[in-house]
Amino acid sequence: SQQGEEDPQALSIQEGENATMNCSYKTSINNLQWYRQNSGRGLVHLILIRSNEREKHSGRLRVTLDTSKKSSSLLITASRAADTASYFCATARGSGGSNYKLTFGKGTLLTVNP
Amino acid sequence: EAGVTQFPSHSVIEKGQTVTLRCDPISGHDNLYWYRRVMGKEIKFLLHFVKESKQDESGMPNNRFLAERTGGTYSTLKVQPAELEDSGVYFCASSHQPGQGPEKLFFGSGTQLSVL
Repeated sequence: SQQGEEDPQALSIQEGENATMNCSYKTSINNLQWYRQNSGRGLVHLILIRSNEREKHSGRLRVTLDTSKKSSSLLITASRAADTASYFCATARGSGGSNYKLTFGKGTLLTVNP
Repeated sequence: EAGVTQFPSHSVIEKGQTVTLRCDPISGHDNLYWYRRVMGKEIKFLLHFVKESKQDESGMPNNRFLAERTGGTYSTLKVQPAELEDSGVYFCASSHQPGQGPEKLFFGSGTQLSVL
């Protein structure tokens, strides 16, 4: 069954605006990660937040995690046209080891208009 | 350091034919994963290798799919015979050592498979 589900499915904004994407999941997790995929390319890891963390920053990215609501949000500030891509959240139940795997959602397609 | 490479980048085949996808993980990465994204749907886990051993193949759709990782280096995913619903993008990913804490995955660019 699908673990992560992003919302909205598609988002179109103007350059300079902020973009917020949400992710909900169903089971307990060890960590949650966000990935970006540019058209025709592979997924690129953006940021990882552990289950005992509530907020994390990396450059123009801000991620929050609410384990009581089983949800996360990704905020991209001062968006640029180059941020246009699909964004996926992925959850992991374990912290590592031979049984470690990520479960992805459907993604949010972000379009940043110049 | 070279990233995860996948070959071919695109493959168009007819229903009933056989296709073999290849993935070369980052050198030294024990974990190798195969994922698939069918258009409009989530990126779905197929299987996980630790070195040459299949750790988890719970996501493999059916016995038309066969994955191997000879010698614990590169991996192949063969679909035989291919069906229309096998169309999608097949991603390979690798990660460092197991048991080292929360891990991020390094993805290849994927193989776009179209079955006509």
